Amino acid sequence: GAVVSQHPSWVICKSGTSVKIECRSLDFQATTMFWYRQFPKQSLMLMATSNEGSKATYEQGVEKDKFLINHASLTLSTLTVTSAHPEDSSFYICSARAPRTGTDYGYTFGSGTRLTVV
Amino acid sequence: GNSVTQMEGPVTLSEEAFLTINCTYTATGYPSLFWYVQYPGEGLQLLLKATKADDKGSNKGFEATYRKETTSFHLEKGSVQVSDSAVYFCALNSGGSNYKLTFGKGTLLTVNP
Repeated sequence: GAVVSQHPSWVICKSGTSVKIECRSLDFQATTMFWYRQFPKQSLMLMATSNEGSKATYEQGVEKDKFLINHASLTLSTLTVTSAHPEDSSFYICSARAPRTGTDYGYTFGSGTRLTVV
Repeated sequence: GNSVTQMEGPVTLSEEAFLTINCTYTATGYPSLFWYVQYPGEGLQLLLKATKADDKGSNKGFEATYRKETTSFHLEKGSVQVSDSAVYFCALNSGGSNYKLTFGKGTLLTVNP
């Protein structure tokens, strides 16, 4: 089945530094990738949607300059948290969507990245 | 806009008990409905889905029926196991640009031996 690999699974960084999270679709081409943020005991908050080769579409309230998303190929999307601060500490999850086949929308989620900013 | 409302947890059950997690939705058109499960420290896994009214999704003993008349997609399992302990998310997609998923807030299920 479809597999999405997300790395790193956890990262600790110092305040003010930048962190890059990768999301790769291993055995399919992802036309669209989604980035979510999840706070403890809360639901997933969609941050942005990216299509290969075009600029990401950010949800209202998400800072574009702080959360840089690149979707340079059909198998790789990256989220860079720039100038990270402790309030950016969270669990980040990516999801990739393959071209629709039949009635299966084909969403596949990565295993998530636990970011801790100290 | 689209929205998903699911019962608030946490839900604590004994092994072999019957499980119901309620989910209702508001959406335009004819959405597809999903249940996802998240085990501690992991991403989401698709548990089951239904794409049209009266469809029943099922997997690993879990079931949910797409009820258009009540706009519901309740998750049920006849006999839960300790290994079912996780957070369960109800979600919908109504098509449109980029096919974004709309999630409920999640329900934490704990099954005790």
